[in-house]
Amino acid sequence: AQSVAQPEDQVNVAEGNPLTVKCTYSVSGNPYLFWYVQYPNRGLQFLLKYITGDNLVKGSYGFEAEFNKSQTSFHLKKPSALVSDSALYFCAVRAPVGGTASKLTFGTGTRLQVTL
Amino acid sequence: DVKVTQSSRYLVKRTGEKVFLECVQDMDHENMFWYRQDPGLGLRLIYFSYDVKMKEKGDIPEGYSVSREKKERFSLILESASTNQTSMYLCASSLGLTLFFGPGTRLTVL
Repeated sequence: AQSVAQPEDQVNVAEGNPLTVKCTYSVSGNPYLFWYVQYPNRGLQFLLKYITGDNLVKGSYGFEAEFNKSQTSFHLKKPSALVSDSALYFCAVRAPVGGTASKLTFGTGTRLQVTL
Repeated sequence: DVKVTQSSRYLVKRTGEKVFLECVQDMDHENMFWYRQDPGLGLRLIYFSYDVKMKEKGDIPEGYSVSREKKERFSLILESASTNQTSMYLCASSLGLTLFFGPGTRLTVL
């Protein structure tokens, strides 16, 4: 069975500092990995995904994530945090087999709080 | 832009009632999904559908059913609502690998 772990319930960062939101996964075969963000009172929005190729993936709003196969990790990063980045972040994984409707497994979410 | 809409943002129902949550997408996506979101548990898949009249159980289908009579519409049904079904329900659609989510329905069962 596939699974995702987000070990931190909350991450606190000062505006202008770099941020990292951690994610580790377990899946059979090569993973498809995703990050989604949920702003207050909104649905989830897609940030970025890793399918294959370059281990560093760039996404929306200046976010990027690094795929590390040996550590089975896919940490989300941003060089300089903004107060407007404060939101709930979800990591997700799915196995490559089974077609595009194969299920996505989400982590429990990490709340990012960016303060002035 | 893809738009996924859900019929209600907030819903309050009583135990034992039959509840319908409606979801509509406007991008002709084949795949549609229902998740519930609970604090500390993240998102859990209830059901998904990869075509009209087709459905598959997700991780937590008990107490729920779904209907997909038209490609754009995917309904979640709580046959007899219970208090442990109080949650945020999120609908999503996809054509490829990326999911597009609706705003969610916060359901309270009293």
